[in-house]
Amino acid sequence: EVQLVESGGGLVQPGGSLRLSCAASGFTFSSYWMTWVRQAPGKGLEWVAHINQDGSERGYVDSVRGRCTISRDNAKNSLYLQMNSLRAEDTAVYYCARVWSAFDVWGQGTMVTVSS
Amino acid sequence: EIVLTQSPGTVSLSPGERATLSCRASQSVNNDYLAWYQQKPGQAPRVLIFGASSTATGIPDRFSGSGSGTDFTLTISRLEPEDFAVYYCQQYGSSPFTFGQGTKLEIK
Repeated sequence: EVQLVESGGGLVQPGGSLRLSCAASGFTFSSYWMTWVRQAPGKGLEWVAHINQDGSERGYVDSVRGRCTISRDNAKNSLYLQMNSLRAEDTAVYYCARVWSAFDVWGQGTMVTVSS
Repeated sequence: EIVLTQSPGTVSLSPGERATLSCRASQSVNNDYLAWYQQKPGQAPRVLIFGASSTATGIPDRFSGSGSGTDFTLTISRLEPEDFAVYYCQQYGSSPFTFGQGTKLEIK
């Protein structure tokens, strides 16, 4: 079964850091671009970042560029999002997704809450 | 950045009726890389349509997509009770890969 499972979310103070992980199974992880998408409570979807198969190409939405780093470990079938200098407006459910026919496989999401 | 505007914001229909959802882009979408997603409360989004008109695996044939350039449409030919949800369009032809604000399809 093709599956993505996120972890690493939680409550963090403004200015803090968090590292999200996404474990992939059921497909050849190293063959696909991957992406992170977030959704603030009661709001719509926002694309956050993407990474190509070998990590040589990455892209970010302006609001996180310079504060977040997307990475992957193909040997561990895992995707990561390192988030620094967190702000209240980063509070959201963070989804990882596979990029093929658009974003065709999604995880269940992990909640990040930035609050003092 | 390509801005996607979905209309209407909310639509109220009855099971068995036809739904037509619109997505307009502020500039042409590269290669018509336009997708539609369905999201139900507490669930992750699910892709319905990619490439503007190709139906994703496992999606019922009552869902169809059309359009090109800047104007796109998602049509649900005959609504089933499980179709009432929020629908998002997304362009993935040029970074940043923007989403529309969503259309809520509710039961009348």
